[in-house]
Amino acid sequence: DAGVTQSPTHLIKTRGQHVTLRCSPISGHKSVSWYQQVLGQGPQFIFQYYEKEERGRGNFPDRFSARQFPNYSSELNVNALLLGDSALYLCASSILQALGVTQYFGPGTRLLVL
Amino acid sequence: RKEVEQDPGPFNVPEGATVAFNCTYSNSASQSFFWYRQDCRKEPKLLMSVYSSGNEDGRFTAQLNRASQYISLLIRDSKLSDSATYLCVVNAEYGNKLVFGAGTILRVKS
Repeated sequence: DAGVTQSPTHLIKTRGQHVTLRCSPISGHKSVSWYQQVLGQGPQFIFQYYEKEERGRGNFPDRFSARQFPNYSSELNVNALLLGDSALYLCASSILQALGVTQYFGPGTRLLVL
Repeated sequence: RKEVEQDPGPFNVPEGATVAFNCTYSNSASQSFFWYRQDCRKEPKLLMSVYSSGNEDGRFTAQLNRASQYISLLIRDSKLSDSATYLCVVNAEYGNKLVFGAGTILRVKS
């Protein structure tokens, strides 16, 4: 079975632009979460979606938004990019939205903002 | 104060050594605990869950002390392939938002 897939793998943008990152969860998984990992730090929670509804939001500005589609894939959108948005963006999927349920991470999208 | 704090690294150890990583968490309502491993420029992968009774998986042993809000990971007989960043992770809220520590780098040398 395929794992979590993300696209694109790498992306270079300039300040002020917007970006859309995509994630396909493992087949049968209904929960998708997004994390941002800046170099030298652990991943930081951005959003969680379950059954197409937002179930959690981290401490990120409104420039960050996301959605989940009927097939459980998800998009993360970031508007008005800043240099500080340069990071590895990770998508994780799990069968349920519940404590202790294992989350499986995709390979991530590396975003560089110039 | 960070929600999850880990030992500063890097840890440089010879093959065969035993190495221990420590982690503390601030939210006493935390319910689930994990160690993830992250190789350079790769995604985090679950190494093991951590239970109050302690658990072992081969050369890896994890311990949880809820009273002290402390988690540990012990690696015995270190291999070169154990070189990675080890992330302490806590799941504190309804749902499965994960809170990660900054990670500890382990370098095992021959």
